[in-house]
Amino acid sequence: QQQVKQSPQSLIVQKGGISIINCAYENTAFDYFPWYQQFPGKGPALLIAIRPDVSEKKEGRFTISFNKSAKQFSLHIMDSQPGDSATYFCAAGPQPGANNLFFGTGTRLTVIP
Amino acid sequence: DSGVTQTPKHLITATGQRVTLRCSPRSGDLSVYWYQQSLDQGLQFLIQYYNGEERAKGNILERFSAQQFPDLHSELNLSSLELGDSALYFCASSVDAGQNYGYTFGSGTRLTVV
Repeated sequence: QQQVKQSPQSLIVQKGGISIINCAYENTAFDYFPWYQQFPGKGPALLIAIRPDVSEKKEGRFTISFNKSAKQFSLHIMDSQPGDSATYFCAAGPQPGANNLFFGTGTRLTVIP
Repeated sequence: DSGVTQTPKHLITATGQRVTLRCSPRSGDLSVYWYQQSLDQGLQFLIQYYNGEERAKGNILERFSAQQFPDLHSELNLSSLELGDSALYFCASSVDAGQNYGYTFGSGTRLTVV
């Protein structure tokens, strides 16, 4: 069973536009929701993370919106740039008794000039 | 450089063979996690070790095994390899196993089984 569902699978956005990626999770015990950015040939790198005691977190052009009742969270990239073109993974966790995260299937973002 | 070192970067081997992937965690990190990344499955959690002991198990096949050594480096052993085992294998590390959820990933090992 996929613990974290992510959509869309791919996204094409014009430079300067807003990129929005959505995720939904199953386990209400999860209390950490990070987003990772992965460039080709590299490992995922932590981009931004949120805990369920807040509904929004902003870091520069990146914002996480969190809806605890709906068990959903999303990543908004404002003023998207070609350098943002990468694969984005949402994650949630941890697994009780351990620390592993469950990842979504990823969204390939392409920002066109 | 993330501080997590994975070797080798690329590995090509034949079906039925056995390989060992190595991971050195970031300095000070006690937990090591192994993930498999394939095109259609995303990042699948395999196994976690904390300070030498297995902490959590995910979708790891019986043909796969792992261990974490006293110096905290970890090895993932894949045996009786099948074509479907071809994937990127990532190692990640974190400071501890419970309170700090931040992961640092290595650059991965690309395994191709032919």
